[in-house]
Amino acid sequence: EVHLVESGGGLVQPGGSLRLSCEASGFTFSDYSINWIRQAPGKGLEWLSYISNSGGVIFYADSVKGRFTISRDNAKNSLYLQMNTLRVEDTAVYYCARDGDGHCFMYWGQGTLVSVSS
Amino acid sequence: SYDLTQPLSVSLALGQTARITCGGNNIGSKNVHWYQQKPGQAPVLVIYKNTNRPSGIPERFSGSNSGNTATLIISEAQAGDEADYCCQVWDTTTAPVFGGGTKLTVL
Repeated sequence: EVHLVESGGGLVQPGGSLRLSCEASGFTFSDYSINWIRQAPGKGLEWLSYISNSGGVIFYADSVKGRFTISRDNAKNSLYLQMNTLRVEDTAVYYCARDGDGHCFMYWGQGTLVSVSS
Repeated sequence: SYDLTQPLSVSLALGQTARITCGGNNIGSKNVHWYQQKPGQAPVLVIYKNTNRPSGIPERFSGSNSGNTATLIISEAQAGDEADYCCQVWDTTTAPVFGGGTKLTVL
């Protein structure tokens, strides 16, 4: 069974940094592209970033380009999101999601909450 | 950027058929995916590539996509189907985008 478990969320001040992790199990991690997606309180879903199975192809949403960095360690079955220069509007639940057929998001983690506030 | 438009809410009686639309320019040429999200839970994929159901999703869930409108169809709606439903596309010309979501209420 596919499992994705995010961690690393918490309360941080504006301008601060945070590193999220996503640990995968139940599938061959190095075979799949993975994404970060977030959802602000009471709002819809927002795609943030994509990394290919090898890590060689990376995309970012304009809203986080230059501030967030996606990476992965296939030996550790883990995905990361380094978030710098955080803003109040980055407050959200952050999900990792495995790519699927047609670039759907086939499997999701349970999410980790990031709160940016002074 | 590519915009997807969904109605804010859809209400129907128990046992009726729900149709939730997702509008976009020439969306019929794209792969559309649908997610169900219940309060406090992560989204769950219910339809991928317009018409395909992942394993474990009931046959009551189906989809269509043509012209400028994709549609999620939920037959014989049950109380347990109450949730937010969101469409999503990702093609080579745009970053992945989500619709704003539709709240389904089963009366």
